[in-house]
Amino acid sequence: GESVGLHLPTLSVQEGDNSIINCAYSNSASDYFIWYKQESGKGPQFIIDIRSNMDKRQGQRVTVLLNKTVKHLSLQIAATQPGDSAVYFCAEIPGGSYIPTFGRGTSLIVHP
Amino acid sequence: ETGVTQSPTHLIKTRGQQVTLRCSSQSGHNTVSWYQQALGQGPQFIFQYYREEENGRGNFPPRFSGLQFPNYSSELNVNALELDDSALYLCASSFFSGGDLNEQFFGPGTRLTVL
Repeated sequence: GESVGLHLPTLSVQEGDNSIINCAYSNSASDYFIWYKQESGKGPQFIIDIRSNMDKRQGQRVTVLLNKTVKHLSLQIAATQPGDSAVYFCAEIPGGSYIPTFGRGTSLIVHP
Repeated sequence: ETGVTQSPTHLIKTRGQQVTLRCSSQSGHNTVSWYQQALGQGPQFIFQYYREEENGRGNFPPRFSGLQFPNYSSELNVNALELDDSALYLCASSFFSGGDLNEQFFGPGTRLTVL
């Protein structure tokens, strides 16, 4: 069969640019969302989280935006650096559950 | 404080064989979750162990089983291996106190190849 699963969505940016990675989630009952970064050969690493009673949360160089109306999540990375190159996953967790459902991931490539 | 460790790093098995993967949780953590990550996909939840008991399971058949030990380390066992079981198997530990979710810390994974 066709190996479409091998071809991740990819975002290529120049060092110093701002990056925006998008995620559409599926479960309207999800009330907790997490962004993870996964570098080659490593497990996912927590970046930032947000609860459904918020629409924006900021961390160091990162901002997560949540639009519950259209079930959309985005991760903004300011002044992107080569070390930010990785695959980024969003994960949603329904209320009352501790089980995250991960999205497919976006590959971010930062060119020096 | 040590992070989450997994062994082995890589493993090659043939169809029908059985495999055991191991995970040592981060110091102070009492909960371990296992995930399967196929190439180009996000991790898929297999199950979670808390206080040595299964505390939630994803959509995986019974040939995927696990254990958690008194020191909170864990094993994932897969029987009757199939080609589609080839994946990166991730372990994540966290501290659960019955209240809010706490951050999961992932290990580097075990790359399983089934021939």
